[in-house]
Amino acid sequence: NAGVMQNPRHLVRRRGQEARLRCSPMKGHSHVYWYRQLPEEGLKFMVYLQKENIIDESGMPKERFSAEFPKEGPSILRIQQVVRGDSAAYFCASSPLVFTGELFFGEGSRLTVL
Amino acid sequence: AQRVTQPEKLLSVFKGAPVELKCNYSYSGSPELFWYVQYSRQRLQLLLRHISRESIKGFTADLNKGETSFHLKKPFAQEEDSAMYYCALSGRGGSEKLVFGKGMKLTVNP
Repeated sequence: NAGVMQNPRHLVRRRGQEARLRCSPMKGHSHVYWYRQLPEEGLKFMVYLQKENIIDESGMPKERFSAEFPKEGPSILRIQQVVRGDSAAYFCASSPLVFTGELFFGEGSRLTVL
Repeated sequence: AQRVTQPEKLLSVFKGAPVELKCNYSYSGSPELFWYVQYSRQRLQLLLRHISRESIKGFTADLNKGETSFHLKKPFAQEEDSAMYYCALSGRGGSEKLVFGKGMKLTVNP
């Protein structure tokens, strides 16, 4: 089992461009979570998704950010018109259908906005 | 609202010394508490959960509802315990999201 796969590992964007971060959950996992880690901060919950369904997006900024987990393919976190404050590490985690509190994390995608 | 506080950012001890990593939480319902660990160049992973009441790698943590705490303890630290430690909380029977504290860096010196 390859584990949670995130790509790209590093992404550089200029202000105003779009950033797309992808996450493939562990095999057999149906839930995906996105977290953001700003410098000197902990992991901030952003969104929790099941296939084709957003369960909890209470941590997502109201504008420019969106997430999806289609029936086929990876989950995608999309940031439109990036600003310097979006520079952070974005972590994806997955869990099986029955939630036990154990999340399996990817290695993260580091976004740098110039 | 769910909140997790780890009051200390850094802790440095010598090998063989006891360690206690503090975690306090705020939650109106019945919480489930966890400790996650990230070793150097590795992914964040679950260390232990309060509901299991088990010792993992010599670490234990007791949920104290009166003090709303879930401190992580180990009587004799080892160099391989050096890592980032995160306390996390989820709401039982409802929200399935995990809320994390800011983390604490433990360094165990030889």
